[in-house]
Amino acid sequence: DAGVIQSPRHEVTEMGQEVTLRCKPISGHDYLFWYRQTMMQGLELLVYFNNKAVMDDSGMPKDRFSAKMPNASFSTLKIQPSEPRDSAVYFCASSYRAPEGAFFGQGTRLTVV
Amino acid sequence: EDQVTQSPEALRLQEGESSSLNCSYTVSGLRGLFWYRQDPGKGPEFLFTLYSAGEEKEKERLKATLTKKESFLHITAPKPEDSATYLCAVQHTGGFKTIFGAGTRLFVKA
Repeated sequence: DAGVIQSPRHEVTEMGQEVTLRCKPISGHDYLFWYRQTMMQGLELLVYFNNKAVMDDSGMPKDRFSAKMPNASFSTLKIQPSEPRDSAVYFCASSYRAPEGAFFGQGTRLTVV
Repeated sequence: EDQVTQSPEALRLQEGESSSLNCSYTVSGLRGLFWYRQDPGKGPEFLFTLYSAGEEKEKERLKATLTKKESFLHITAPKPEDSATYLCAVQHTGGFKTIFGAGTRLFVKA
């Protein structure tokens, strides 16, 4: 398996624009997590799915962020409208079951100017 | 409130100089504690899961231990390639939300 695949690797956008981050989890993994990492806050969990259903999105600013998992092999994290404070590295991770360690993708570095 | 605190923030070692990283946690019922390694520009890489006090796990030069309040990551005879940020994370029994510590940046000099 190629591991967790995220796209794009880098994204630069202007404030107010819509941004969509994509993730393909490891095949057979039931759990999918979206994290955001910044120097100030470290790794923060935004939302996680179990079998495509949202289980906890309490870490996600719901007025501008939305996460979907239309099928077992694809998830998106959308930010609309984007703001400079959204600049961070966004990671997607998946695990076979919990509690087990998750496998992370390479991340998407988002810069909002 | 669930909390994870890692110390020290940074640690500089000479090659072969063994040491330990600390992870203190407060959680309303521990489901699991995780250790990850993160290299610059990459995603965290899973190392260990510990489930209950007294448990130990080893991988090459790394050994993780767990008590009711903290976990240690012991590094024996480290090499320069062990240089990375080491992250600790916990899940509580109320769900599968994972809380990460700020990490310890380890530098190993040849």
